[in-house]
Amino acid sequence: NAGVTQTPKFRVLKTGQSMTLLCAQDMNHEYMYWYRQDPGMGLRLIHYSVGEGTTAKGEVPDGYNVSRLKKQNFLLGLESAAPSQTSVYFCASSWGGATDTQYFGPGTRLTVL
Amino acid sequence: AQKITQTQPGMFVQEKEAVTLDCTYDTSDPSYGLFWYKQPSSGEMIFLIYQGSYDQQNATEGRYSLNFQKARKSANLVISASQLGDSAMYFCAMSWNYGGSQGNLIFGKGTKLSVKP
Repeated sequence: NAGVTQTPKFRVLKTGQSMTLLCAQDMNHEYMYWYRQDPGMGLRLIHYSVGEGTTAKGEVPDGYNVSRLKKQNFLLGLESAAPSQTSVYFCASSWGGATDTQYFGPGTRLTVL
Repeated sequence: AQKITQTQPGMFVQEKEAVTLDCTYDTSDPSYGLFWYKQPSSGEMIFLIYQGSYDQQNATEGRYSLNFQKARKSANLVISASQLGDSAMYFCAMSWNYGGSQGNLIFGKGTKLSVKP
């Protein structure tokens, strides 16, 4: 039982390049989330999904796109990376709702030069 | 609007002593959940404890307990018998049901706990 996994663990991009972060969970959770963590800011929600084929915007969605084609996978895309997107990205999953615990992946450290 | 505040950027505690990490929250919604996560230097987010807004008793999980004072809108984390491995960042977070939220979490800025031998 791997829980929540993220690929890749580290990535360096040049400004304007694109990339996709992959999140996978094996807990059969309905809800999945993408957060970014910046120094001194805590975690902020980028996008989330309440089930296969659904996505919605969080607090800081600009510059990102997401897709949830399969229940177990949630992809985060950067179409044209900017230095302001340098951050640590966390994926999380849960059964859903305010009372359900979110379980986090190990994070992806992204640097945009 | 919902808000989480952690006013202690850093704290020190002697090994084997207890420590309290402060968290206050703001919401007008009657149904919400409060969470604490630990982030060690390795970077992963580890769930510690949960308290629901309707729970009558304070949550406990091993050495962790949550001091929930609803009227004061505080949800402090108490770690008993601190260990060196408790040195980490600790985040308080809240989720709620109303206003279109789907259990989304908002986080405080965290408290860095250092345990001294």
